[in-house]
Amino acid sequence: QSVLTQPPSASGAPGQRVTISCSGSSSNIGINTVTWYRQLPGTAPKLLIHSSNQRPSGVPDRFSGSKSGTSASLAISGLQSEDEADYYCAAWDDSLNRPGFGGGTQLTVL
Amino acid sequence: EVQLLESGGGFVQPGGSLRLSCAASRFTFSSYAMSWVRQAPGKGLEWVSGISGSGITTYYSDSVEGRFTISRDNSKNTLYLQMNSLRVDDTAVYYCAKGSGHNTVTVVLSPDWGQGTLVSVSS
Repeated sequence: QSVLTQPPSASGAPGQRVTISCSGSSSNIGINTVTWYRQLPGTAPKLLIHSSNQRPSGVPDRFSGSKSGTSASLAISGLQSEDEADYYCAAWDDSLNRPGFGGGTQLTVL
Repeated sequence: EVQLLESGGGFVQPGGSLRLSCAASRFTFSSYAMSWVRQAPGKGLEWVSGISGSGITTYYSDSVEGRFTISRDNSKNTLYLQMNSLRVDDTAVYYCAKGSGHNTVTVVLSPDWGQGTLVSVSS
């Protein structure tokens, strides 16, 4: 069972905006920052968002992250076919004293 | 560019052992926490274990606590995962990942990952 909770799937048409939620608790998202990873089939995860809302260099500004209370969100605007991937949120959990992932959200571009 | 190269995966019977290695290069290895993350076929990511840059602090997921041991040799720039008493549900691709700082908490932000090595446990 994942420490963080994500919807298993999300979808949107090309050009649309889609958001993926990540729900946690007071021991993880509530007091720590959130990281988002993207994973294409058969490849290693790639860092997408760190510190809840910061994009590493090279990540398009179509991707944005936010956090409020014990929840976080990843927003993707101007959806493109190449955005089809699995998206994972992650955060350190102070009660467990280790990190945890969400279960992952499979994004489909219609 | 950071390089992380895992090795040591393979096929093993339940109850057996394997040792995974992750050879790191092009960064100051001892300055960064490292972790092992696995992904079972068709499943999500799971943080298995992590270790601080000095090797003093470690953590394990509940599913591997007492069976797996993480270690590092900073003189060889290599991360290890000793896996004992392997079970069928340990079957997964195992990735090593470089944290963003010295302490284990920094593994949450891992900008660099290896390509993964497959561990298959079956009778």
